[in-house]
Amino acid sequence: EIVLTQSPATLSLSPGDRATLSCRASQSVSSYLAWYQQKPGQAPRLLIYDASSRATGIPARFSGSGSGTDFTLTISSLEPEDFAVYYCQQRSNWLTFGGGTKVEIK
Amino acid sequence: EVQLEESGGGLVKPGGSLTLSCAASGFTLNKDWMSWVRQAPGKGLECVGRIKSELHGGATAYGAPVEGRFTILRDDSKNTLYLQMNSLKTEDTAVYYCATMRGRGPEGHFDYWGRGTLVTVSS
Repeated sequence: EIVLTQSPATLSLSPGDRATLSCRASQSVSSYLAWYQQKPGQAPRLLIYDASSRATGIPARFSGSGSGTDFTLTISSLEPEDFAVYYCQQRSNWLTFGGGTKVEIK
Repeated sequence: EVQLEESGGGLVKPGGSLTLSCAASGFTLNKDWMSWVRQAPGKGLECVGRIKSELHGGATAYGAPVEGRFTILRDDSKNTLYLQMNSLKTEDTAVYYCATMRGRGPEGHFDYWGRGTLVTVSS
């Protein structure tokens, strides 16, 4: 099973800050990596797929990069609605998720 | 507009069975790959299983923790997806989401999600 490790576990930032979230795979997943946002009591929402493609309706402040084993989700300038938990997910070998990064208000 | 609505969750005793439903609207269920993803209270996400589209043969696959106990079914006449869960364990307690899948390659990413239904396994 491919294990995805997300870091940091928690990111404490202020609105307007730049957020950089990391996801590392235990073996190469090529570009088969997606990112999701989840707010309390809600279902996850797809943000980025295939490492760097934004899903429909996702603002341009969200961007993804990486390939192989190292990936990054960047939020260029945090809006109040961006404080949430973020998960990465690979689809190269079965379907697994990372443990999540919580972006909280500092 | 794509909509997914799960139902059927509730309290069940260890060893018991439960069937969840996911009613789809805005698209034809058997033309898409579909999945069930769960989230234990306060924990992360885990894919329970998925079913390929009818075009791709409708094959199912399951995560190791549920293999042999859970079954994904589809009723095309009702445009509804099901998750049959047998021999339930306390560790199966979670919110269960159904989701559509997209993407070329071995598997897919999850693009549309339902709101989820809570399954509690407890004596």
